[in-house]
Amino acid sequence: SQKIEQNSEALNIQEGKTATLTCNYTNYSPAYLQWYRQDPGRGPVFLLLIRENEKEKRKERLKVTFDTTLKQSLFHITASQPADSATYLCALDMFSGGYNKLIFGAGTRLAVHP
Amino acid sequence: DVKVTQSSRYLVKRTGEKVFLECVQDMDHENMFWYRQDPGLGLRLIYFSYDVKMKEKGDIPEGYSVSREKKERFSLILESASTNQTSMYLCASSAPQSTEAFFGQGTRLTVV
Repeated sequence: SQKIEQNSEALNIQEGKTATLTCNYTNYSPAYLQWYRQDPGRGPVFLLLIRENEKEKRKERLKVTFDTTLKQSLFHITASQPADSATYLCALDMFSGGYNKLIFGAGTRLAVHP
Repeated sequence: DVKVTQSSRYLVKRTGEKVFLECVQDMDHENMFWYRQDPGLGLRLIYFSYDVKMKEKGDIPEGYSVSREKKERFSLILESASTNQTSMYLCASSAPQSTEAFFGQGTRLTVV
């Protein structure tokens, strides 16, 4: 069956450390993979997109890797801050039949402590 | 500033009622999506539309229908609301050829 798995338990880290979140998937072949941030009571907000032929993408303190052999993406936040505390969602971007469909994981809650 | 607007933040409806959730986007996007979000299950795709009057079933379409009469508006309809449809509903839009999705603020629907 098709699955997207993110760490279901919250990730607690100290301010200034690097947070690493994992997204694993099975029986999908996404063309792209996206990461979103969601704060309580709000809709997700786009952070980064990485294509299947890209190994790594960076944006300020964020870094995403995409390994299509392992079927895994890692999302890193360096020099983390309490303001980074949120739920982070990965989404597989499935392009077929001429249109795109985003399939989301359940998300991982990150808590950064001062 | 780009916007996806959902008609209500909170809604309480009775079992058996017909419920309309409205979503409007101002970005001229072709693609629009309806998701529901439940604790531990993440966002699950209900329906999506890639053009006016076009619709495709997502992963959990049962008990729902949609309408897209105009490009900017995508409505989700619960024909006869049931308590298991109590959830957070999120609308999103995106341009073709895989770009970021923009989400509305969500509608928390409670069916009693």
